[in-house]
Amino acid sequence: NAGVTQTPKFQVLKTGQSMTLQCAQDMNHEYMSWYRQDPGMGLRLIHYSVGAGITDQGEVPNGYNVSRSTTEDFPLRLLSAAPSQTSVYFCASVGWGADTQYFGPGTRLTVL
Amino acid sequence: ILNVEQSPQSLHVQEGDSTNFTCSFPSSNFYALHWYRWETAKSPEALFVMTLNGDEKKKGRISATLNTKEGYSYLYIKGSQPEDSATYLCASPSLNQGGKLIFGQGTELSVKP
Repeated sequence: NAGVTQTPKFQVLKTGQSMTLQCAQDMNHEYMSWYRQDPGMGLRLIHYSVGAGITDQGEVPNGYNVSRSTTEDFPLRLLSAAPSQTSVYFCASVGWGADTQYFGPGTRLTVL
Repeated sequence: ILNVEQSPQSLHVQEGDSTNFTCSFPSSNFYALHWYRWETAKSPEALFVMTLNGDEKKKGRISATLNTKEGYSYLYIKGSQPEDSATYLCASPSLNQGGKLIFGQGTELSVKP
């Protein structure tokens, strides 16, 4: 199993550009989520999904879109990048029950 | 809304010291409690998932206990080493919010040689 994979690992964008952060898992997990990590803020939930076709907003959803067309993939889209979106982004997945949540390696995004 | 709190926010100890920190969560509607170890520039790594009151789990020098009736979990590190330096996160699924994991702010542990 590859676990949770994320691409790219690093990205630099200009203000106003759009891009998609990719996340995939091969553990057949129903629940997937996106977090951002900012200094002094811990992990903040952006969006999550409890299964294919179902998504919901977390704490800080503004400026981001998600979709879940398959169980395996959960891409995060930045519609018009802003410097406030400079952060490290983690994707995670977990099966139902008291299962362990697995994190991807992270994507470090800088918006100039 | 589920609120998970951790204390202290940061901890500085000497190599060889034993240490512990706390995770508090609402005791009603409890489902599970997760502990993670998060090193700088890496992704969080799962340590334990605990579900039963009185549960005690151990991984090397790290152990955790769970009290679901009073809503807290302790994480203990025996004989801290510099490589234990990391942020330790706890999280609990919120049954009222689709099961999403609610994280505490973390305890940042620094172990000096």
